Amino acid sequence: QKEVEQNSGPLSVPEGAIASLNCTYSDRGSQSFFWYRQYSGKSPELIMFIYSNGDKEDGRFTAQLNKASQYVSLLIRDSQPSDSATYLCASVTNYGQNFVFGPGTRLSVLP
Amino acid sequence: GAGVSQSPRYKVAKRGQDVALRCDPISGHVSLFWYQQALGQGPEFLTYFQNEAQLDKSGLPSDRFFAERPEGSVSTLKIQRTQQEDSAVYLCASSVVRGEVGTDTQYFGPGTRLTVL
Repeated sequence: QKEVEQNSGPLSVPEGAIASLNCTYSDRGSQSFFWYRQYSGKSPELIMFIYSNGDKEDGRFTAQLNKASQYVSLLIRDSQPSDSATYLCASVTNYGQNFVFGPGTRLSVLP
Repeated sequence: GAGVSQSPRYKVAKRGQDVALRCDPISGHVSLFWYQQALGQGPEFLTYFQNEAQLDKSGLPSDRFFAERPEGSVSTLKIQRTQQEDSAVYLCASSVVRGEVGTDTQYFGPGTRLTVL
């Protein structure tokens, strides 16, 4: 059974702080990882994807992947109240096939 | 360009009724996925197509669920004899899949919220 685990939260951070969201996965064969943001009542929106070990930065977002530890994280710098949402981590084992999603972490950025 | 569209956005069905949910993927996207999302949970995979071929239907919860994509574009998810446990948001996603890094990114539609009374 392929599983992706996330702390459901809520994770509360003050405005301007760094929010750190974590994800672990059980399938060692997982090749790539995606972070999505989902506002209440809306569909998931892609934030970024990562395939290689290490860090990948895109604006205020940094994804980190450690395949040896089966661990993926997302850092959000200078958090804004508009970042308040549920963040979904997803893995895929074979290119082009279905994603396995975690339950999501609810983030609350307090003004 | 247009994103993934789904219809209807909301559907209320009485237990035992059949429903059909439609998905229009992004033009040119080869792969199409259906997910079910219960309240407070992440999306759960149901089935996926590459063009008109249904390559994996292992996530369909019972034989009451059926999906098709006859011309490799629009897809329909049909649920027969709906039950209360079928109440959820049904998400459709598509991806272009060109063999290049990142082209398996899935883009989601707005979802259909199904409520079975």
